[in-house]
Amino acid sequence: DQQVKQNSPSLSVQEGRISILNCDYTNSMFDYFLWYKKYPAEGPTFLISISSIKDKNEDGRFTVFLNKSAKHLSLHIVPSQPGDSAVYFCAASQKNTGNQFYFGTGTSLTVIP
Amino acid sequence: KAGVTQTPRYLIKTRGQQVTLSCSPISGHRSVSWYQQTPGQGLQFLFEYFSETQRNKGNFPGRFSGRQFSNSRSEMNVSTLELGDSALYLCASSSQPGLAYEQFFGPGTRLTVL
Repeated sequence: DQQVKQNSPSLSVQEGRISILNCDYTNSMFDYFLWYKKYPAEGPTFLISISSIKDKNEDGRFTVFLNKSAKHLSLHIVPSQPGDSAVYFCAASQKNTGNQFYFGTGTSLTVIP
Repeated sequence: KAGVTQTPRYLIKTRGQQVTLSCSPISGHRSVSWYQQTPGQGLQFLFEYFSETQRNKGNFPGRFSGRQFSNSRSEMNVSTLELGDSALYLCASSSQPGLAYEQFFGPGTRLTVL
């Protein structure tokens, strides 16, 4: 059963505009969320995280928003750049479970120059 | 610092065979996690090792096993391969379990089962 879902397999955005990637989860015990970015032929790389005590975390052009009541998080990239074109995975975990993270199926972002 | 290395990068096996994949973590990292990535399921957690002990295990059949050596290198083994085991197998290392922001992934081993 997929506990973390990314319902949009792909997204295309013009360079300079905002990219919004969405993620939903079903387990209300999850309290730590992350976004990873993956280029072809490489492993995922950590991008940004948020814990359940916050509703927003910002790092440069990347902002993650968490809506606990809706069990929804989103990643905003502003402004989008062609180098942002990659597959983005969201992941969730529950404290004290080590590195047992549940990943979504990924959203392939294409930023059009 | 060298990154996480996985060998081999590509592997082709037939049904019923077994396979062993290897992962060398970043120097100083003692936690190694394994994931299976398939197009329809995304990344699914297989297991995590820390200091040679399995700490967590995902929902995979017993055909999937792993171990970690004293130098933190880890291997995973899949016995009696099935077509559905075709996937990209990723390992990730971190200095301590639970430090997701410090979890670094290797490039993966692409396993094809014919």
